[in-house]
Amino acid sequence: DTGVSQDPRHKITKRGQNVTFRCDPISEHNRLYWYRQTLGQGPEFLTYFQNEAQLEKSRLLSDRFSAERPKGSFSTLEIQRTEQGDSAMYLCASRPFVGGNTIYFGEGSWLTVV
Amino acid sequence: SQQGEEDPQALSIQEGENATMNCSYKTSINNLQWYRQNSGRGLVHLILIRSNEREKHSGRLRVTLDTSKKSSSLLITASRAADTASYFCATADNAGGTSYGKLTFGQGTILTVHP
Repeated sequence: DTGVSQDPRHKITKRGQNVTFRCDPISEHNRLYWYRQTLGQGPEFLTYFQNEAQLEKSRLLSDRFSAERPKGSFSTLEIQRTEQGDSAMYLCASRPFVGGNTIYFGEGSWLTVV
Repeated sequence: SQQGEEDPQALSIQEGENATMNCSYKTSINNLQWYRQNSGRGLVHLILIRSNEREKHSGRLRVTLDTSKKSSSLLITASRAADTASYFCATADNAGGTSYGKLTFGQGTILTVHP
């Protein structure tokens, strides 16, 4: 399978705990995006990487959120001191630098904060 | 913030009928993309239409784009029960080098196709 891979698919955590999600983009896609989606809403942009550089961050990405893409391949999204309002699906997507504007999404990581 | 607004919010039809969903947006765009999302799953890309295109087809899908009205429509012909899903339009802003191609999504249309 050469699609965007996300792990874990589901995470239940207690309020105040830290969680980390991993995304493996499609091979050779150097553009990587994180989105968040709550029930009944469309996805909302969180952050964008081009290779290892984080070039854009949404105001939705509070200081409890941090994303990295250390070697320009996989990416992690960490949420510290989780709150119930963080419960959502976190979607990763990737796109090649050349060859089209289509953005390909993974299956998402569901977070439930209890 | 959500740019697009889909209409209707929910659509219920019988198998074999056509389904039309509309999307409006607010800013100048580079392209508009339609995605499908089955319950609890990720987004599946359906079709991309560039700002200089007016109509595009892919199998049973037909997308139109009217940049003067800042609107798009997705038509699914001869619908099947397997088409039951949420459908989202997403726009990529035409903001030069700072947009990075990121997409702004609407709230989606929930399509239910009854067998």
